Amino acid sequence: AQSVTQPDIHITVSEGASLELRCNYSYGATPYLFWYVQSPGQGLQLLLKYFSGDTLVQGIKGFEAEFKRSQSSFNLRKPSVHWSDAAEYFCAVGSYGGSQGNLIFGKGTKLSVKP
Amino acid sequence: DAGITQSPRHKVTETGTPVTLRCHQTENHRYMYWYRQDPGHGLRLIHYSYGVKDTDKGEVSDGYSVSRSKTEDFLLTLESATSSQTSVYFCAIRQQGMGDTEAFFGQGTRLTVV
Repeated sequence: AQSVTQPDIHITVSEGASLELRCNYSYGATPYLFWYVQSPGQGLQLLLKYFSGDTLVQGIKGFEAEFKRSQSSFNLRKPSVHWSDAAEYFCAVGSYGGSQGNLIFGKGTKLSVKP
Repeated sequence: DAGITQSPRHKVTETGTPVTLRCHQTENHRYMYWYRQDPGHGLRLIHYSYGVKDTDKGEVSDGYSVSRSKTEDFLLTLESATSSQTSVYFCAIRQQGMGDTEAFFGQGTRLTVV
């Protein structure tokens, strides 16, 4: 069965500092991987996605993520955090095709940004 | 923004009453999902649909049923609401296509069971 683990429940970084949010997944085949962001009281917005090919993917708002098959990880990074990045971040793993359209999310990491 | 509409956006209901939440899409996407979001649990999949009249259970399906009689509508029913079903419910849609399988989310329905 698919599963996603986000080990960090809450992270605080200073504005301008670098950021890495961790995501580990469990899936039997090549996964489809996603990072979403949710601002308070809002729905979820896609930051980036990985299906195949280059293991370093670029997303919106200056975010990137790297797929490492050997570590079953898909960590999200940003070189310099802005105060507006404070939000909750969700990693997700999906399957594809027929009835196998499952899409499972991690429990999320809440990011706080110090001025 | 993807054409997803959830209704109602807010609802307060009494324990033991039936409740139906509606998700309507205008994108003709194949997959539709219902999630609930609770603090400390992230988003948990309740049910999903992979076509008209084709549905499957997610990880927290007990106490919920779904129906999809048309491509555009996916209904979530709480047969007899309980306080543990107080939550924010999100609908999502997803296309079928190798490079196009991210999910788009509605704005959520905040359900309170008193």
